[in-house]
Amino acid sequence: AIQLTQSPSSLSASVGDRVTITCRASQGISSALAWYQQKPGKAPKLLIYEASTLESGVPSRFSGSGSWTDFTLTINGLQPEDFATYSCQQFYSYPLTFGGGTKVEIK
Amino acid sequence: QLQLQESGPGLVKPSETLSLTCTVSGASLSSSIYYWGWIRQPPGKGLEWIGNIFYSGTTYYNPSLKSRVTTSLDTSRNQFSLNLRSVTATDTAVYYCARESVGSAGERYDSWGQGTLVTVSS
Repeated sequence: AIQLTQSPSSLSASVGDRVTITCRASQGISSALAWYQQKPGKAPKLLIYEASTLESGVPSRFSGSGSWTDFTLTINGLQPEDFATYSCQQFYSYPLTFGGGTKVEIK
Repeated sequence: QLQLQESGPGLVKPSETLSLTCTVSGASLSSSIYYWGWIRQPPGKGLEWIGNIFYSGTTYYNPSLKSRVTTSLDTSRNQFSLNLRSVTATDTAVYYCARESVGSAGERYDSWGQGTLVTVSS
């Protein structure tokens, strides 16, 4: 199975900051990667798919980049509603796998 | 508007079978551009993919659960179901059903149910 390693596992940031989260795949997955945001007690929400395609309705301060083994989720200008846990997922091959998550907390 | 809703017992005894149903409204399970999936999340932990089912009945399962998992579709009711046999406490989790969109634009789980907590305990 393809392993996804996210870093950091948690971070503290302030409103307005630029935040970068990375996801590294144990083998090449082309661009078959999605990013989700999850708030406590809620289902994950799709932010980005195909590594860099913004899901409809998601604010443009979210962006994704990368291919093959190294991917990045960037939040430009962190907003209060962005404090949450972010997870990556690969769709390159079965079994589908998720990263361990990155918790973004208020500094 | 697409909605997915999980239903089933919130408490299951060890060694028994966990059974959940996902009712879909606003989309057809018979569509060839979607897979229908199950994902779980143990308390305080990350997401774990359980499996997918296609309208044709084709299934894909996580090898770590494959010997205990069965999924099925009921297109007449627009529902799909999960059965997980011989459960233990480690199967305690929030279980989500979700729709995976497939195609040239890229695959992703773009709609999720709200999740249902299933506790395995005697």
